[in-house]
Amino acid sequence: QVQLQESGPGLVKPSQTLSLTCTVSGDSVIPGLYYWSWVRQPAGKGLEWIGHIYTGGYSKYNPSLEGRVTMSVGTSKRQFSLDLNSVTAADTAVYYCARMYCKNYYPLYYFDYWGPGILVTVSS
Amino acid sequence: QSALTQPPSASGSPGQTVTISCTGSSGDIGIYNYVTWYQHHPGKAPKVMIFEVSERPSGVPDRFSGSKSGNTASLTVSGLRAEDEAQYHCSSYAGNGKVIFGGGTRLTVL
Repeated sequence: QVQLQESGPGLVKPSQTLSLTCTVSGDSVIPGLYYWSWVRQPAGKGLEWIGHIYTGGYSKYNPSLEGRVTMSVGTSKRQFSLDLNSVTAADTAVYYCARMYCKNYYPLYYFDYWGPGILVTVSS
Repeated sequence: QSALTQPPSASGSPGQTVTISCTGSSGDIGIYNYVTWYQHHPGKAPKVMIFEVSERPSGVPDRFSGSKSGNTASLTVSGLRAEDEAQYHCSSYAGNGKVIFGGGTRLTVL
């Protein structure tokens, strides 16, 4: 059974960098086999796709966050990470890591496994 | 790409049928069959109820069904039950590797 768990600080100051890690059990974070993703949900709003990392370590990001976001895979292949810089109050949200399902290495653009989510608040 | 448009709320009595719409554009729902519906209970991870417009994962009751017409996708829940009360999110592939979501619909079972 695949399980994902987000970890990181729950409070980040404005203008600083939000850094989160997702630890995966029951699977390996091998880009290409699946796409490893981040999604967030501000309070009272809908979900927002942040981006994913895939084949060869390449990544794709939401254009609205382009330039502020970086994703990477850990050396243990059991973790992947999210860095979001220059944060503001608008980045306050529950952040989820998720696995995008792929069939024969081709993404079907839905998330079949999710972490429980971590609330990150941006405040001084 | 703008977010998909969902009604903020929907409701029905037990046993009734409810349909939730999700409107996009010719650049997402209108052209791709990668529409997904998630059920989201507070404090829990979202769960896939429908993928690829109308496919149901194993374990999801056949009371849940999905469809698409033009730029609008729909989720229909028949034989409404108390445990169906949750927030429902739609998503679609929007080309160039991007995924977009709707604003979510809160389904209330009266």
